[in-house]
Amino acid sequence: DGGITQSPKYLFRKEGQNVTLSCEQNLNHDAMYWYRQDPGQGLRLIYYSQIVNDFQKGDIAEGYSVSREKKESFPLTVTSAQKNPTAFYLCASSKPETSGAYNEQFFGPGTRLTVL
Amino acid sequence: AQKVTQAQTEISVVEKEDVTLDCVYETRDTTYYLFWYKQPPSGELVFLIRRNSFDEQNEISGRYSWNFQKSTSSFNFTITASQVVDSAVYFCALSRGGYQKVTFGTGTKLQVIP
Repeated sequence: DGGITQSPKYLFRKEGQNVTLSCEQNLNHDAMYWYRQDPGQGLRLIYYSQIVNDFQKGDIAEGYSVSREKKESFPLTVTSAQKNPTAFYLCASSKPETSGAYNEQFFGPGTRLTVL
Repeated sequence: AQKVTQAQTEISVVEKEDVTLDCVYETRDTTYYLFWYKQPPSGELVFLIRRNSFDEQNEISGRYSWNFQKSTSSFNFTITASQVVDSAVYFCALSRGGYQKVTFGTGTKLQVIP
């Protein structure tokens, strides 16, 4: 079955440590996205990537880094520079139509990161 | 700048009641796209519908229906005869299209009481 996988589901890290969240998709989508979700704040865009080896900052990129070496994979690293990293992280992908219209984003199950 | 407002933070209804979730958006673009997503307790967002700005036809899918009104910049979502499985957080979202950023509302938490 096609879809997006994120691992792990729950992640704990000590303050000051970097941690990498995995996101893999087998939908053959070109674009991938990382969002952060905090209670009462909806989803905020961290980074997005339209094609391999290219990515752009979203609204809250500070303290995060990404890579896009393969079309299927878009890992997110939460660095020690992120002031308040405890949150729910969602990965998504989309394949815009060739006409330029916008296809919906498909989401993974999310990773809940807790900093101890 | 684009903005999506979901003024209803939480709604509780008794099973079988109808419920409408409000969504008001702001954009200066003439072409844009609106979405609704459902987030059940498991956390994964599930796509429900996409609507283009140039298509104001209302849509019905089973117990779900959507009312798009450009004149009032609203894209409301109605669930008819609600069920306990409808309990979730619902997000309205807005985009310019292509690879452009999607702006999400803060969500409305719907609780359907049996």
